[in-house]
Amino acid sequence: QSALTQPASVSGSPGQSITISCTGTSSDVGGYNYVSWYQQHTGKVPELLIYDVSDRPSGVSNRFSGSKSGNTASLTISGLQAEDEADYYCSSYTSRRTYVFGTGTTVTVL
Amino acid sequence: QVQLVQSGAEVKKSGASVKVSCRASGYTFTDFYLHWVRQAPGQGLEWMGWFNPNSGASKSAQKFQGRVTMNRDTSISTAFLELNSLISDDTAVYYCARDLGPGAGRPFDYWGQGTLVTVSS
Repeated sequence: QSALTQPASVSGSPGQSITISCTGTSSDVGGYNYVSWYQQHTGKVPELLIYDVSDRPSGVSNRFSGSKSGNTASLTISGLQAEDEADYYCSSYTSRRTYVFGTGTTVTVL
Repeated sequence: QVQLVQSGAEVKKSGASVKVSCRASGYTFTDFYLHWVRQAPGQGLEWMGWFNPNSGASKSAQKFQGRVTMNRDTSISTAFLELNSLISDDTAVYYCARDLGPGAGRPFDYWGQGTLVTVSS
């Protein structure tokens, strides 16, 4: 199972919106609404941001939103803040009853 | 509160095995699947497998099949990951993570603090 494809890095200025893409196949992202996003600050444990494509766990800011079209899922961060500087990973359930992560995206706040 | 507490760092020789533990508290251990995820230094997350603490059933990613064992001791609410025939590429932080449940495709809502496994030749 190959990792889902994400851009290596995305940057934006405070207050701007950025979008991170996550491209898979019809056997994972395109086949299920079981895409999740995780945020990982440097040296920290990953934290769940989005699940089931667009749902947010309680406590997660509504500046984070998710969507999906075909084999590509997206995470949008609105009103970018310095604290959003982190690595972001998508994950999807697959047709083999396994999971696969994306390659990861480093977000830089300029 | 839900907590997953993992065992301490390990240093192993190539060809050896390592066993990492993950002790759960704050919820009923057998009610939620657990996953194992690893992260090599400076690299991304890699899903290794899921484990059902109730039945003992598990499924691992294809690249680990035959080399990984997942089991548990329900009396101490602890899950174990054992990885055999270690190579240098197995050097990574190993995480256990709880499945949100129920059903398939659920995300990982709580994570352990991670266990660094270093494989030296």
